Amino acid sequence: GAGVSQSPSNKVTEKGKDVELRCDPISGHTALYWYRQSLGQGLEFLIYFQGNSAPDKSGLPSDRFSAERTGGSVSTLTIQRTQQEDSAVYLCASSLTRGTAQETQYFGPGTRLLVL
Amino acid sequence: AQKITQTQPGMFVQEKEAVTLDCTYDTSDPSYGLFWYKQPSSGEMIFLIYQGSYDQQNATEGRYSLNFQKARKSANLVISASQLGDSAMYFCAMRVTSSGNTGKLIFGQGTTLQVKP
Repeated sequence: GAGVSQSPSNKVTEKGKDVELRCDPISGHTALYWYRQSLGQGLEFLIYFQGNSAPDKSGLPSDRFSAERTGGSVSTLTIQRTQQEDSAVYLCASSLTRGTAQETQYFGPGTRLLVL
Repeated sequence: AQKITQTQPGMFVQEKEAVTLDCTYDTSDPSYGLFWYKQPSSGEMIFLIYQGSYDQQNATEGRYSLNFQKARKSANLVISASQLGDSAMYFCAMRVTSSGNTGKLIFGQGTTLQVKP
């Protein structure tokens, strides 16, 4: 079956512009996670969705970052007024549920964001 | 605080030999899962192997095995019979599942493995 997909694969934007990153999880997976991978910070958790709700937004770095999920499926991560420090790879992952330690998270290919 | 430590920024191994990638973790939660992911230059995170905190035996998946030493809080990945395609970044990650936890993964800094022909 299809894995996690993300679009666009690459995005170059100018400082101050808004960007939207999309994640399509594996069908039937109720849990969805966004992570950010940058050179200085490694892999950081951003936000977690269970269904359409986001019970954990603790990793969002500022109020310029927001995310939503609709229909228990596709999620969009929006970064407003982008800054150069937002340049990173944004990774999406999904898992069947979040309930147990065995739940493997499957990752998408990521979106490489470069803010000029 | 929950933390994953990978102390080897880079490793080399000769093709067909075995290699061990180190991972230590810190958590006070009794229920947790440990994962290893491979990230080739293409960027995608590929799940390799999982070990649960209550598992009695070390996990194995093909050429991958996990040397789990609970008392030492270590979960080292062993890759046997290395192949050129094993050259990649490897991440150790932990997931804590105590009540209220959302199951997010906490990652180490990664180890870059290069397999020499």
